[in-house]
Amino acid sequence: GNSVTQMEGPVTLSEEAFLTINCTYTATGYPSLFWYVQYPGEGLQLLLKATKADDKGSNKGFEATYRKETTSFHLEKGSVQVSDSAVYFCALRIFYSSASKIIFGSGTRLSIRP
Amino acid sequence: EPEVTQTPSHQVTQMGQEVILRCVPISNHLYFYWYRQILGQKVEFLVSFYNNEISEKSEIFDDQFSVERPDGSNFTLKIRSTKLEDSAMYFCASRDEGGFMNTEAFFGQGTRLTVV
Repeated sequence: GNSVTQMEGPVTLSEEAFLTINCTYTATGYPSLFWYVQYPGEGLQLLLKATKADDKGSNKGFEATYRKETTSFHLEKGSVQVSDSAVYFCALRIFYSSASKIIFGSGTRLSIRP
Repeated sequence: EPEVTQTPSHQVTQMGQEVILRCVPISNHLYFYWYRQILGQKVEFLVSFYNNEISEKSEIFDDQFSVERPDGSNFTLKIRSTKLEDSAMYFCASRDEGGFMNTEAFFGQGTRLTVV
């Protein structure tokens, strides 16, 4: 089946540290990959996406590269800020029908210390 | 920037009561979804809706749940007889057609449902 596995949290870092949140996927087809972010008390926002192998999605200093050979889409940021504290969800969508759903990982809570 | 709007932001209801959660998707979008997130847990798919019918539903989406697009703009989720375990954040999402592209869904801010 189709699924997403991501690094368990919580992850706690100091400001300006380097961040990696690992994400791997299992897919029966050729998925698009996403990172969504959920800030405290808010809904889900798309952070970045990649639709084909070797694509790099980037936004707000975050990056993730679609690696087909390792079925991974790890999220990275060179220097985190306190405002990056949130829950990060890796997700995929497979085109098995035009209405096919997005499948989420379990989420990784990130806390940044000043 | 267009956005998905959900109302109410928080609903408290007694066990056994019916609730309707409302969503206004982005206006040119064609695909609509409901997801839920029990506190601290993963975001779970409930149902997808396209062309005025359900496209797919999960095991969670049993006979107590229904969806409707009553007037071409709203998209509602009804829970007929709420249970304590229905307490969760419910997210509505919509997506444009995108052809063969696996486009992303845009999510609303959520409705926190508390069943007491």
